[in-house]
Amino acid sequence: EAEVAQSPRYKITEKSQAVAFWCDPISGHATLYWYRQILGQGPELLVQFQDESVVDDSQLPKDRFSAERLKGVDSTLKIQPAELGDSAMYLCASSLALDYFDTQYFGPGTRLTVL
Amino acid sequence: RKEVEQDPGPFNVPEGATVAFNCTYSNSASQSFFWYRQDCRKEPKLLMSVYSSGNEDGRFTAQLNRASQYISLLIRDSKLSDSATYLCVVFHGGSQGNLIFGKGTKLSVKP
Repeated sequence: EAEVAQSPRYKITEKSQAVAFWCDPISGHATLYWYRQILGQGPELLVQFQDESVVDDSQLPKDRFSAERLKGVDSTLKIQPAELGDSAMYLCASSLALDYFDTQYFGPGTRLTVL
Repeated sequence: RKEVEQDPGPFNVPEGATVAFNCTYSNSASQSFFWYRQDCRKEPKLLMSVYSSGNEDGRFTAQLNRASQYISLLIRDSKLSDSATYLCVVFHGGSQGNLIFGKGTKLSVKP
């Protein structure tokens, strides 16, 4: 069964450092999502791509976060500089298209700890 | 008010028990509804979609009441392997088709 790949699985960094997370969606999935999940909360959308275009980044803290999906396939989420409050699980998901029948499949996530 | 609200939990039940989770959503224009399951330190996985007529999948039954903006999940004959966090999820369609997650309700099934 095809899966969403993410790396690294775990990242520990010091505040003010830069971190980057990578996601490779299921082949053929046009829509890619980045979510942040703080312990004890549900995932919250950070950014959504349709192919290489950003569809929604209204919840992305743009002063420190950036995301790209240059060729419309894999994607990178960057944080610079990292802050203590950024400690969370960062989940990537993909779906075939922007359609309410399309299931979103999640990757295993990157667990970020900022010291 | 949160867009999606769930029972706070945790629910601690014995094996074989029946347990019900409730969820309310605030946006009456929401199009689709789901229950996701999330094991500790793992990614969420789709458990089942929720349809207006209600739907059943084995021991799991989901119900949707659009008038009351209420969603439920019933688990019958609980198994140890059902222990997880259950996330109520609402889909807003249109040009921004993203999922809105509740905080989740933790279920612990004991022998």
